[in-house]
Amino acid sequence: QLQLQESGSGLVKPSQTLSLTCAVSGGSISSGGYSWSWIRQPPGKGLEWIGYIYHSGSTYYNPSLKSRVTISVDRSKNQFSLKLSSVTAADTAVYYCARGALGFDPWGQGTLVTVSS
Amino acid sequence: EIVLTQSPGTLSLSPGERATLSCRASQSVSSSYLAWYQQKPGQAPRLLIYGASSRATGIPDRFSGSGSGTDFTLTISRLEPEDFAVYYCQQYGSSPPWITFGQGTRLEIK
Repeated sequence: QLQLQESGSGLVKPSQTLSLTCAVSGGSISSGGYSWSWIRQPPGKGLEWIGYIYHSGSTYYNPSLKSRVTISVDRSKNQFSLKLSSVTAADTAVYYCARGALGFDPWGQGTLVTVSS
Repeated sequence: EIVLTQSPGTLSLSPGERATLSCRASQSVSSSYLAWYQQKPGQAPRLLIYGASSRATGIPDRFSGSGSGTDFTLTISRLEPEDFAVYYCQQYGSSPPWITFGQGTRLEIK
């Protein structure tokens, strides 16, 4: 059974870079036909897709965040990562990783990242 | 950008009743790329429906999806206590790849 687990800093200072990792277990991140996404949810609000990386290494980002986002993959560790630069309080959210095909499934449990000095 | 608008914002029903949730797109969406999720407090969303009408693995058959073009519907035929949650629709656009979610419908116990 495929499982995803987010990890990373839960507190980031304004203007700094948010860094998160999603560890994939129970399957290979190199499996064809899937994308690997980051999605976030500000407290009490809806879901926002951040971007994804394909098994091939191709990346696609939400245009509203594109200038600040980098998603990369480490196949040797079976994980993928998110970097979001120049964060502000508006980036405070629960960050989820998820596998994508015709829908996102499964999801990680999510990790809360707070942007505060 | 394709904007998804869900209605109603909140739906108050009793267990055993039928729930009908709407998702309207600002432009046509390929049915293959329309999905529905359920989210309970403190949990990650769970995929219910993909391809507009296909149930994900393990999803009870009281959940069904329908629609095409710009209008899609999630129906829960007979509400169980565990169905009260927030529901999101989501679309995947391919040119360029761009994923958006609706703002959600909160299904609450009446």
